[in-house]
Amino acid sequence: LVLTQSPSASASLGASVRLTCTLSGGLIDYPVAWHQQQPGRSPQFLLRVNSDGSHIKGDGIPDRFSASSSGAERTLIISGLQAEDECDYYCQTWVSGGRAVFGGGTMLTVL
Amino acid sequence: EVKMEQSGNEVQSPGTAVKVSCKVSGYNFGDFYMHWVRQAPGKGLEWMGLLDPVDGEKTYAEAFQGRLSLTADTSIDTAYMELSGLKFDDTAVYYCSTQVAGVGVFWGQGTRVVVSP
Repeated sequence: LVLTQSPSASASLGASVRLTCTLSGGLIDYPVAWHQQQPGRSPQFLLRVNSDGSHIKGDGIPDRFSASSSGAERTLIISGLQAEDECDYYCQTWVSGGRAVFGGGTMLTVL
Repeated sequence: EVKMEQSGNEVQSPGTAVKVSCKVSGYNFGDFYMHWVRQAPGKGLEWMGLLDPVDGEKTYAEAFQGRLSLTADTSIDTAYMELSGLKFDDTAVYYCSTQVAGVGVFWGQGTRVVVSP
C-alpha cells in the first residue's frame, strides 16, 4: 500500500484529533493532500502538507484544520471538533507520471 | 473561482458504455492534468486515470486498461470520461478532479452511474 490510514478515529466534541497518513518507504518526501467527504457529497480539499510540515489550505478552510509531518507520516490536525466534522477523511499523493493514489480513508466519529 | 461541472446521473445496461463530461472554469484548462476518480457505494476513492488536456497524453490505472477512454475538448474547456463494457460493479459515483499548483485540489460534483439490467 502506498498510503495507509486507520479506518476509524474518534474524539470528543470540542477536543482535537490527529489523523495520520503513512507513506510507503520510497515516498517519504512526497506531499499529501487531505480531503474531507461529508455523506452524499463530493470530496472537499482541506490542505496539502509537504514533507517539511509546511502546508497550503483550501479556500475557506477554517484555521482549526492544520497539518504536520514527521518522516513518512503526514498528519491532519482538527482542533475544536464540531459535530459537522464527523465524516470521512482521505489522503492523496501523486506518484510516477502524475498518477494519483488515495489512502483507504478514515471515518471520524465525534463523541 | 475554480468550478468543475459534471454531466448528469446515468443508468446504463451491462455491456454498454457511459460517457461523463466535466466542464471547467476559473483556471487555464490546459495547464493541469485532469484526473478521474470513482467511488463505489460505501467504498473509498479509486483513481482511474489522468489526461493532459493539451497534448492528449493519457495514463490509465491498470484496472481500467482497455475499457477507459479519456479525452478533452480544449475549445470548450471540457474533459470526458468514457467507460465501456459496463459491469454491475461499475456502479459508482464518478468524479473529475484537478490539482492547481499552489492553490489546491478541485473536484466536480460527481456523476452517479448505475449499471442495471
